[in-house]
Amino acid sequence: GEDVEQSLFLSVREGDSSVINCTYTDSSSTYLYWYKQEPGAGLQLLTYIFSNMDMKQDQRLTVLLNKKDKHLSLRIADTQTGDSAIYFCAEIYTGGFKTIFGAGTRLFVKA
Amino acid sequence: GAGVSQTPSNKVTEKGKYVELRCDPISGHTALYWYRQSLGQGPEFLIYFQGTGAADDSGLPNDRFFAVRPEGSVSTLKIQRTERGDSAVYLCASRIRSGSYTGELFFGEGSRLTVL
Repeated sequence: GEDVEQSLFLSVREGDSSVINCTYTDSSSTYLYWYKQEPGAGLQLLTYIFSNMDMKQDQRLTVLLNKKDKHLSLRIADTQTGDSAIYFCAEIYTGGFKTIFGAGTRLFVKA
Repeated sequence: GAGVSQTPSNKVTEKGKYVELRCDPISGHTALYWYRQSLGQGPEFLIYFQGTGAADDSGLPNDRFFAVRPEGSVSTLKIQRTERGDSAVYLCASRIRSGSYTGELFFGEGSRLTVL
C-alpha cells in the first residue's frame, strides 16, 4: 500500500539543528521529497533526493536516505524562526505518477 | 500565469448543495493534480490528469466527486450533494511532463470549502 509516516511535532531553539524523520512504504520510489508549508501559503518544494543517492546537501539542508529501512530525514542546520512551518515528506508512488504525502511535521522554533 | 491559480479561495455552502472549484495551472504544465487537505493532515490524493484525460482517479472518495479538464489546461473539481465531511482545503498542483524531470509539484494556495 501507499503510506508515508512522520512525527507530528518538533520544537527546537533558534540556532540548534532540527531533524525531521519520515518512513515510506514504496521501495521502488524514484524520488523522495520534502515540501514546506508556511501559514496561509501553498506547499512549496524544499528539496528532493533521487533514490540512488544516500545523501544530498543544499546549504543548511541535509537529506539522508536509507533505502533498506525506507527512512528519509531532513536536517536543518542553524534553525531560524523563519523555518517555523509544516514540513511534508512525500514520495512518487511508482504504481502511477501520483505523489503521496505524509501528515506533516510542525516545526516550532523558539527564539 | 506565473503560478497555479485556484478560485474561489473560500467557499461556504450548505449541506446538499453543488460546488465547483476551479484550477488554472502553470502554462505549459501538462500534468494536473487535485488533493484534499483536512485540518492537521497532509494532502490526500484525489485525481491526476495527463492532458485532458484522468490518468488516475483512484483517490476520489465516491461518485459525488468528479473532475474535468476539457482542453488540457483549466480543471474543475465538482462536488455534488455536499456533506459536512467534505469541508477541507482543496489543493491543485501542476507539473511539467517533459524535460528535466524531478516530479516537482507546483501548488496553488487552495480553495477552502466549508459545508454548513
